[in-house]
Amino acid sequence: NAGVTQTPKFQVLKTGQSMTLQCAQDMNHNSMYWYRQDPGMGLRLIYYSASEGTTDKGEVPNGYNVSRLNKREFSLRLESAAPSQTSVYFCASSPTVPENYGYTFGSGTRLTVV
Amino acid sequence: GDSVTQMEGPVTLSEEAFLTINCTYTATGYPSLFWYVQYPGEGLQLLLKATKADDKGSNKGFEATYRKETTSFHLEKGSVQVSDSAVYFCALSDRTGGSYIPTFGRGTSLIVHP
Repeated sequence: NAGVTQTPKFQVLKTGQSMTLQCAQDMNHNSMYWYRQDPGMGLRLIYYSASEGTTDKGEVPNGYNVSRLNKREFSLRLESAAPSQTSVYFCASSPTVPENYGYTFGSGTRLTVV
Repeated sequence: GDSVTQMEGPVTLSEEAFLTINCTYTATGYPSLFWYVQYPGEGLQLLLKATKADDKGSNKGFEATYRKETTSFHLEKGSVQVSDSAVYFCALSDRTGGSYIPTFGRGTSLIVHP
């Protein structure tokens, strides 16, 4: 199935633990994004990658790192999880110029940090 | 910077009622505009788009017209169904420093009663 695949779908971490959220797309898109979604806050951009080999900070990058492993894969790492990072995380991808196709989202990872 | 403002929800309607969800934007360039829909427990799906002034995007009975003079992109549907209950996000895509970073509104929850 074409689209954006995120793993895992659910995760519970203890404060201070680390983990990596995986994202892969099979649409040959150049650009990929990581968002977090919190109640009443909408979607906030964490990091993005305009093309393979480049990454840039978004609105809320603190506490996160990313790796654009290749054109298909863009991972998000939490080095030392905090309760404030409890959220739903979405990965998205798009062509370089998205006006005709928009952005394609994965189904999300629901992360709880206790 | 760019921003998107949506009417706050929830919007509660009876089946077959007329729907309007207001969206206004500010942008430094000439953005493309999108509406996304999120059903419970899922990621965002592209609903419709418009890339230039006076364009009308439409899909599944929903419509929105790109109004440059009023910087608006209001979502409308003539007769809503229970299955339309979801969260709707207005978004824009504008070229910033060579990248097309999407900006999302906070989302508007729609609840349709039988």
